[in-house]
Amino acid sequence: AQSVTQLDSHVSVSEGTPVLLRCNYSSSYSPSLFWYVQHPNKGLQLLLKYTSAATLVKGINGFEAEFKKSETSFHLTKPSAHMSDAAEYFCVVSDASNTGKLIFGQGTTLQVKP
Amino acid sequence: DTEVTQTPKHLVMGMTNKKSLKCEQHMGHRAMYWYKQKAKKPPELMFVYSYEKLSINESVPSRFSPECPNSSLLNLHLHALQPEDSALYLCASSQDLLGTRIAFFGQGTRLTVV
Repeated sequence: AQSVTQLDSHVSVSEGTPVLLRCNYSSSYSPSLFWYVQHPNKGLQLLLKYTSAATLVKGINGFEAEFKKSETSFHLTKPSAHMSDAAEYFCVVSDASNTGKLIFGQGTTLQVKP
Repeated sequence: DTEVTQTPKHLVMGMTNKKSLKCEQHMGHRAMYWYKQKAKKPPELMFVYSYEKLSINESVPSRFSPECPNSSLLNLHLHALQPEDSALYLCASSQDLLGTRIAFFGQGTRLTVV
């Protein structure tokens, strides 16, 4: 069965400094992995996805993630945090049996300090 | 148009009321989903529709009744809800059920049961 673990429930950075949100996954097959962002009282917006093409995936708003099979990781990074990046971030893996199910991590709250 | 539209944005209902949540997409997607999200938690899948047929019911209480009248529209009928059902209800859609597909989320309906 697939699972996702987000290693930090809360990350705090200063504006202009790098962001690292960590995600490990467990999957018995080649997974499809996603990062979504959710601003307060809003829906989820896709940042980027990995589906077995390039291991370094570039997303929107300057975010990128690297798929590392040997480490079963899919960490999200951004070189320079902006105040508007403050939000909840979810690492997600899709179910192996093509049921449409998504397996969510518990989420990481990103705080950006001025 | 990559938008999933949910109405209403906010809903307050009594425990004896009947109400409905509406979700609409015009991306030609054939899979649609209802999720429930409590504060500080990831979304929890409730129902999956594929080609207007219910394919997954995650053991949701019968006071929640989904309906998919056509490929663009998804409803969630609510009746005799409990205060613990208060949550953000998210609708999502994807091209189909393949695990590589991106799920597009609506902004959600904030439901309060009094």
